[in-house]
Amino acid sequence: DAKTTQPNSMESNEEEPVHLPCNHSTISGTDYIHWYRQLPSQGPEYVIHGLTSNVNNRMASLAIAEDRKSSTLILHRATLRDAAVYYCILRANTNAGKSTFGDGTTLTVKP
Amino acid sequence: EAQVTQNPRYLITVTGKKLTVTCSQNMNHEYMSWYRQDPGLGLRQIYYSMNVEVTDKGDVPEGYKVSRKEKRNFPLILESPSPNQTSLYFCASSSGLAPYEQYFGPGTRLTVT
Repeated sequence: DAKTTQPNSMESNEEEPVHLPCNHSTISGTDYIHWYRQLPSQGPEYVIHGLTSNVNNRMASLAIAEDRKSSTLILHRATLRDAAVYYCILRANTNAGKSTFGDGTTLTVKP
Repeated sequence: EAQVTQNPRYLITVTGKKLTVTCSQNMNHEYMSWYRQDPGLGLRQIYYSMNVEVTDKGDVPEGYKVSRKEKRNFPLILESPSPNQTSLYFCASSSGLAPYEQYFGPGTRLTVT
């Protein structure tokens, strides 16, 4: 499986933008980049995905490097409710059932 | 409402007593998975299923069994639980079409004494 690498933790101030990086240097051409977040005492929740182009949805934006070896999840205005563990994973077209989560990034949002 | 349900949510049992954790999804998803989550080890995939009667091992399958007799259900079976299987377990499902985003259940906290 292609692996992802994320910083263990990041801090942000409330209402400021947050950029959460992810490295996936061994990504294959057809792998999707997915981001999930896990709030305390809950199951992971899908946030956003991308393949090659940058993506926006109501929760966040995803910026994908041109060589696809890294990506950045962007929360435009962090709120206290965004404090969570954020996971970046790859989903392969060739074996879409297999899924490897890393340790994720614990985001702390300060008021 | 589209959802993945797990039962029970909490379970305390003793070593060696067989147990089953059920998982059900109402989204007609082809793919289903089981994960365990332990402090410092993140989420690790136990087993996954691509469709009825099609299952495969994840990263930590030892000590677990699964079955997929119906599309909506994917039970996790511990034939002889041991204390090292004390963990938080999550079931997830996803469509068989790209991009395969996963929907997770609320989790089952299992304690084996």
